[in-house]
Amino acid sequence: AQSVSQHNHHVILSEAASLELGCNYSYGGTVNLFWYVQYPGQHLQLLLKYFSGDPLVKGIKGFEAEFIKSKFSFNLRKPSVQWSDTAEYFCAVDERSNDYKLSFGAGTTVTVRA
Amino acid sequence: EAQVTQNPRYLITVTGKKLTVTCSQNMNHEYMSWYRQDPGLGLRQIYYSMNVEVTDKGDVPEGYKVSRKEKRNFPLILESPSPNQTSLYFCASSIRTLGIQEQFFGPGTRLTVL
Repeated sequence: AQSVSQHNHHVILSEAASLELGCNYSYGGTVNLFWYVQYPGQHLQLLLKYFSGDPLVKGIKGFEAEFIKSKFSFNLRKPSVQWSDTAEYFCAVDERSNDYKLSFGAGTTVTVRA
Repeated sequence: EAQVTQNPRYLITVTGKKLTVTCSQNMNHEYMSWYRQDPGLGLRQIYYSMNVEVTDKGDVPEGYKVSRKEKRNFPLILESPSPNQTSLYFCASSIRTLGIQEQFFGPGTRLTVL
């Protein structure tokens, strides 16, 4: 079965620091990759997605992620975080099979201190 | 506005009292899914439906039922809720084209079973 690993459970940063969240998956076939964000008390919102093409994808709010196929990784980055980036971040992987299954990582809570 | 709606948003109930959480989408999506979110576990799929009258189990289906009589609606039924079903529940819908899909999530239903 597909598994998605997020390396950090909780990250605490100061404003203007750089952020990188790790994500690895176990499926060896073709995948679609996603990062979702959940702000406190809100539902999941799509930050960015990768389907094909340029492995460096840019999303909303200054986030980007890089797909490294050889490492089965899809790490999320932001050069300079803001207090408003405090949220929980989820990596998700879709195996492109017929069952439409989207597997999520356990999530990383990011706290940005002003 | 394209959206996925869930009702109720918050629910406190007692063990054994049947309940239904409704989910509706206005995007004419074929695929719908239910997830539960628990701390440290991310989102886990409960059930999914690939179209009307087509449903299948996800990773954690025990204690839940679903139905898909209409394309837009996908209710989640707990016939006899137990305290271990206390969780945050999300409904999602998506459409898949050429192996690419993106799921749209509802606002969530926070369920407490006493």
